[in-house]
Amino acid sequence: DGGITQSPKYLFRKEGQNVTLSCEQNLNHDAMYWYRQDPGQGLRLIYYSQIVNDFQKGDIAEGYSVSREKKESFPLTVTSAQKNPTAFYLCASSTDRSFEAFFGQGTRLTVV
Amino acid sequence: AQSVTQLDSHVSVSEGTPVLLRCNYSSSYSPSLFWYVQHPNKGLQLLLKYTSAATLVKGINGFEAEFKKSETSFHLTKPSAHMSDAAEYFCVVSDGTYKYIFGTGTRLKVLA
Repeated sequence: DGGITQSPKYLFRKEGQNVTLSCEQNLNHDAMYWYRQDPGQGLRLIYYSQIVNDFQKGDIAEGYSVSREKKESFPLTVTSAQKNPTAFYLCASSTDRSFEAFFGQGTRLTVV
Repeated sequence: AQSVTQLDSHVSVSEGTPVLLRCNYSSSYSPSLFWYVQHPNKGLQLLLKYTSAATLVKGINGFEAEFKKSETSFHLTKPSAHMSDAAEYFCVVSDGTYKYIFGTGTRLKVLA
């Protein structure tokens, strides 16, 4: 079945560590996205990529980094510069602008 | 600039009664609008979408929404609530680029 796979489902990070969240899609979509979700808030855009080897900052990119070396993959690194990284992270993809986005099942990151 | 306002953060209904979740949008262009549902600790699932075709849009699980340009609204309805409908619902507008604008969500509670 086609879809988006995020791993791991749960991730724990110590203060000062970088961690990388995985996102893979087999939908042949050009665009991919990373969102952060905090309780009681909507989704906030971290980074997005319209095409391989290109990506743009979203509304809350500070403390995060991404790469897009393959069409299928869009990993997100949460760096030690991110002051409050505990959140639910969602990856999505879409085939074109104005078309619906498809979401993965999310990764819950907790700083311990 | 595009924006989305979900007018109720929480809605409670009794099982078997109608559901109304309200969404107003602001857009400089002819927008694409979506409703997504999210169950706890899960990704977002598309319920329905409006992309300038019919103004009354039917979605999955008996949900539908009506696009009203004059009122800049896209309210989500269902004639009869089921216990399994309890979840968080997000209204989303595409701004014509690769960015999606999310409302802050409405948590639906269904009472037995």
